[in-house]
Amino acid sequence: QSALTQPASVSGSPGQSITISCTGTSSDVGGYNYVSWYQQHPGKAPKLMIYDVSNRPSGVSNRFSGSKSGNTASLTISGLQAEDEADYYCCSYTSSATLVFGGGTKLTVL
Amino acid sequence: QVQLQQSGPGLVQPSQTLSLTCAISGDSVSSNTAAWNWIRQSPSRGLEWLGRTYYRSKWSNDYAVSVKSRITINPDTSKNQFSLQLNSVTPEDTAVYYCARSGYYAEWLDPWGRGTLVTVSS
Repeated sequence: QSALTQPASVSGSPGQSITISCTGTSSDVGGYNYVSWYQQHPGKAPKLMIYDVSNRPSGVSNRFSGSKSGNTASLTISGLQAEDEADYYCCSYTSSATLVFGGGTKLTVL
Repeated sequence: QVQLQQSGPGLVQPSQTLSLTCAISGDSVSSNTAAWNWIRQSPSRGLEWLGRTYYRSKWSNDYAVSVKSRITINPDTSKNQFSLQLNSVTPEDTAVYYCARSGYYAEWLDPWGRGTLVTVSS
């Protein structure tokens, strides 16, 4: 199972919006509404930010939103804040009953 | 609130077996609605899902193809925990290993353990 494809890095200024893409295939992202997104700060465990493509867990800011079109899922962060600077990973269920992650995207808040 | 507490050695010799344990509080390893996962992270491989164990009338496992021939994930109902065994390790298995919960038709990982750095070296 190949890793999902994410841009290596994105950046934005405080208050702006950014979008991180996550491209897979019809056997993972495109085939199921089981895409999740994780935020990871240095030295910390990943934290769930979005599940089932577009749902936010309790306690996650509504500045974070998710969507999907075909084989590509997206995470959008609006009203960027300094604390959003972190690595972001997408994850999808696959037709092999496994999970596969994206390579990760480093978000820099300028 | 579910919490996961990881334990195990931080150094393993090449060709030996890596063994880690994840103790569960706030849920049951035998839950019909949960699955118990192992994930690892290294600079070269990024985040890599390794496998999971779960109970749905019987115990089952799913494993990543990349480690399928070397991995075993077992539940321990007496201690409410689950374990990871990875055989025949090489320096490429050096990584931070995490345990995490997912669910039945709930394919997201939450919560996560704090992570254990395992170094494979002689």
